[in-house]
Amino acid sequence: EDQVTQSPEALRLQEGESSSLNCSYTVSGLRGLFWYRQDPGKGPEFLFTLYSAGEEKEKERLKATLTKKESFLHITAPKPEDSATYLCAVQAGGGSTLGRLYFGRGTQLTVWP
Amino acid sequence: DAGVTQSPTHLIKTRGQHVTLRCSPISGHKSVSWYQQVLGQGPQFIFQYYEKEERGRGNFPDRFSARQFPNYSSELNVNALLLGDSALYLCASSLAGGFDTQYFGPGTRLTVL
Repeated sequence: EDQVTQSPEALRLQEGESSSLNCSYTVSGLRGLFWYRQDPGKGPEFLFTLYSAGEEKEKERLKATLTKKESFLHITAPKPEDSATYLCAVQAGGGSTLGRLYFGRGTQLTVWP
Repeated sequence: DAGVTQSPTHLIKTRGQHVTLRCSPISGHKSVSWYQQVLGQGPQFIFQYYEKEERGRGNFPDRFSARQFPNYSSELNVNALLLGDSALYLCASSLAGGFDTQYFGPGTRLTVL
């Protein structure tokens, strides 16, 4: 069965303290890996899509990378406004699963001043 | 440009009742997907629609149904509500529903008493 696992479940960082979030996946025929940010009580906000191993994408203090089995979301010099839950999701295969996103449980990031 | 819109924002129902949730996709997007997010979990796929046809269905009972209209908006219906249906219901919009990026709305918070 397709599975997405995120670690750690929660992460507390001091402002400026860089770190990485992990997303490991076991799916048949990965077609895309997605990172979203979610604030409490709100819908997920799209951050990045990665399609193939070795691909990297950056946006402000965030950088996402992809290998054959996992993805990392690197946060450089985080600020308190980066506090949120970060969700990883994959699209895989085809047929009846076409377009379906499989999500991990997320990493809850807290950045304190 | 307007993003994905959902209505209502919040809803309180009692067990056994029926509920209808509504979603309007981003202009130009022809596919809508529905997800259920229970507190502390990642979103779980319920349905995907493209050009008014159901493209995929997740592991949810027949009490859950949906449809898409000619203007690409969508409704999610849930019959015979159970306490366990309490969740944040998310609508996601994408261009064609294949391996496209999905953009989420703010969600509808359903509470079943």
